[in-house]
Amino acid sequence: QVQLQESGPGLVKPSETLSLTCSVSGGSINLFSWNWIRQPAGKGLEWIGRIYTRGTTNYNPSLKSRVTMSGDTSKNAISLNLYSVTAADTAVYYCAREVGTTSAFDIWGQGTVVTVSS
Amino acid sequence: SSELTQDSAVSVALGQTVRITCQGDSLRSYYVSWYQQKPGQAPLIILYDNNNRPSGIPDRFSGSSSGSTASLIITGAQAEDEADYYCNCRDTSGFHVVFGGGTKLTVL
Repeated sequence: QVQLQESGPGLVKPSETLSLTCSVSGGSINLFSWNWIRQPAGKGLEWIGRIYTRGTTNYNPSLKSRVTMSGDTSKNAISLNLYSVTAADTAVYYCAREVGTTSAFDIWGQGTVVTVSS
Repeated sequence: SSELTQDSAVSVALGQTVRITCQGDSLRSYYVSWYQQKPGQAPLIILYDNNNRPSGIPDRFSGSSSGSTASLIITGAQAEDEADYYCNCRDTSGFHVVFGGGTKLTVL
C-alpha cells in the first residue's frame, strides 16, 4: 500500500528556508495530487499547497509568496520549500495524497515537527 | 467567503448520537470530507464526498451536506470516538483547499 514519509531538519533559523521531502512508497507520484498541510501545536490544520500533473502547483494564497513545491520522479518524492520563515511557521508538517477532485486526503504521512528558532 | 466554521467543542453521552457541523459558502459548490485526529497522530479520513466512508471506517459515521452546512453524524458514539474532527473542501475558487477550525468531541 502507499506510504508517505516526511523528512527534513527539525530546527530552522528565522529568515531562513524550511525544506522538507515527502518520500512516497508503494505508488508513483505521477498519479494523484500530493499536498502539504501543517498544524501548529494545539491548533488546526492549514493547507499549504499541492503539486500534481506535470508539476502543476496550487498554493494557499496566504503563503503563496513564500512557497514552492516540486516533484522528483527519480526519487518518487515531493518537496516543500518555505522561505523567510518566522516563529509562526513552527508546526507539524504533513504530506498527504489527494484523491479525485474533491480534496479528500486519503493517505497521510506521520508528520514531521519543524521549529523555527535561533 | 472561503472559510469553514466548526464549533470548537461538542460532547456526547456514550452510545448517543452527535452531530458535528461545518459551515461555509464553498460547501454550496463542493463536496466535503471529514477527518478524525487523535493526540499525537496524523488525521484519518472518515468521510469523503459528503457521505462516503473509506474502507475500515465504522458505519456509525455518516454525513450530509445541504446548502452551506455539512454535518458529520456519529450514531452510537463510542469512547474511542473521542478526538478532534476536521472538515475540508475546495474554496470558492475551486483551486485551493480550506479546513474548518476543528471540533473537539468529548464522549461522556
